[in-house]
Amino acid sequence: SQKIEQNSEALNIQEGKTATLTCNYTNYSPAYLQWYRQDPGRGPVFLLLIRENEKEKRKERLKVTFDTTLKQSLFHITASQPADSATYLCALDCMEYGNKLVFGAGTILRVKS
Amino acid sequence: GAGVSQSPSNKVTEKGKDVELRCDPISGHTALYWYRQRLGQGLEFLIYFQGNSAPDKSGLPSDRFSAERTGESVSTLTIQRTQQEDSAVYLCASSLFVSGGAETQYFGPGTRLLVL
Repeated sequence: SQKIEQNSEALNIQEGKTATLTCNYTNYSPAYLQWYRQDPGRGPVFLLLIRENEKEKRKERLKVTFDTTLKQSLFHITASQPADSATYLCALDCMEYGNKLVFGAGTILRVKS
Repeated sequence: GAGVSQSPSNKVTEKGKDVELRCDPISGHTALYWYRQRLGQGLEFLIYFQGNSAPDKSGLPSDRFSAERTGESVSTLTIQRTQQEDSAVYLCASSLFVSGGAETQYFGPGTRLLVL
């Protein structure tokens, strides 16, 4: 069966440390993978997109990796801040689904000062 | 410019009543999506509109759910004979259509529906 798995438990880290969130998938062949941030009571906000032929993408303190062999993406936030506390969703963009995204359940990140 | 807006922001209804949820996408965005998000869960795709093409309704959970879109503007999601299991946040997103994927979706704040 098809699955997208993100850390089901909240990730608690200390301010200044690097947060690493995982997105694993099974029986999907994404051409792209996207990461979104969702704050309580709000809709998700796009952060980064990485293509299947890209290994790594960076944007300011954010870094995403994409390993199509392992079927995994890692999302890193360096020098984390309490304002980074939110739920982070990964989403797969697969050709067989047209332009629809398939979302994971998300991981809650809590950065403590 | 204005983002995606949704109304109402909250809706409380009684079981068996019909509800209509509205989405105003970003101007110029030809693609529009509806999702459902239950508490603590991920986004569940419901329906997708793209330009004048027939909508992709593959995610609608039952025939009580329907949606319409007027041209490339407002969309309405209707739930008939609501059930308690319909309680969730209903999110709308819009995007510029990109052939082959790699669209960025812009989400509204959602409508929180509670069915008593």
